[in-house]
Amino acid sequence: AQTVTQSQPEMSVQEAETVTLSCTYDTSESDYYLFWYKQPPSRQMILVIRQEAYKQQNATENRFSVNFQKAAKSFSLKISDSQLGDAAMYFCAYRIPYGGATNKLIFGTGTLLAVQP
Amino acid sequence: KAGVTQTPRYLIKTRGQQVTLSCSPISGHRSVSWYQQTPGQGLQFLFEYFSETQRNKGNFPGRFSGRQFSNSRSEMNVSTLELGDSALYLCASSTTSGSHNEQFFGPGTRLTVL
Repeated sequence: AQTVTQSQPEMSVQEAETVTLSCTYDTSESDYYLFWYKQPPSRQMILVIRQEAYKQQNATENRFSVNFQKAAKSFSLKISDSQLGDAAMYFCAYRIPYGGATNKLIFGTGTLLAVQP
Repeated sequence: KAGVTQTPRYLIKTRGQQVTLSCSPISGHRSVSWYQQTPGQGLQFLFEYFSETQRNKGNFPGRFSGRQFSNSRSEMNVSTLELGDSALYLCASSTTSGSHNEQFFGPGTRLTVL
């Protein structure tokens, strides 16, 4: 069974600094999608960044980038120039390629990121 | 475009009762997925509907059921509520099922079972 592991329950970063959140996963599939979602306190979950396993190039979205290591089954999120609005719970997620027709996500347990002014 | 809406936002029920939660996807989206979020178990997939058909189901007891209407709105029902059903129930919508389409989450329904 596929699993997603986030080993850092909480992280803290100073405003304007860089922080890296870790995620590892287990799968026997060769093609899949990986995601980082952000869930601010009492607010809706939003997609931060997405990586397709067959693409070797790491995804980047403005201040957010990933380090995707397929062989190591590692998918870390780097947040550069951290801002107060980045404070949230961050979830790593994996999408099962169930016949190519499913949106089912498997989530990690989350990392609570605090940003210190 | 309006986002994913969920009603009600908060609900308090007692053990043994049943509850129905509603999710209205973004206009044009035909796929709706449901997740249960609890401090102990995290985010767990309940089920997914696409064009009124259940595409996938998570490992939950039969007390949890759902359906999707022709306008893509979805409901989930929990019968014979237990204390452990207290959770934030999230739905997410997407244009289709599979592929790389982004899923958009609603604000959730906070269910408390007393």
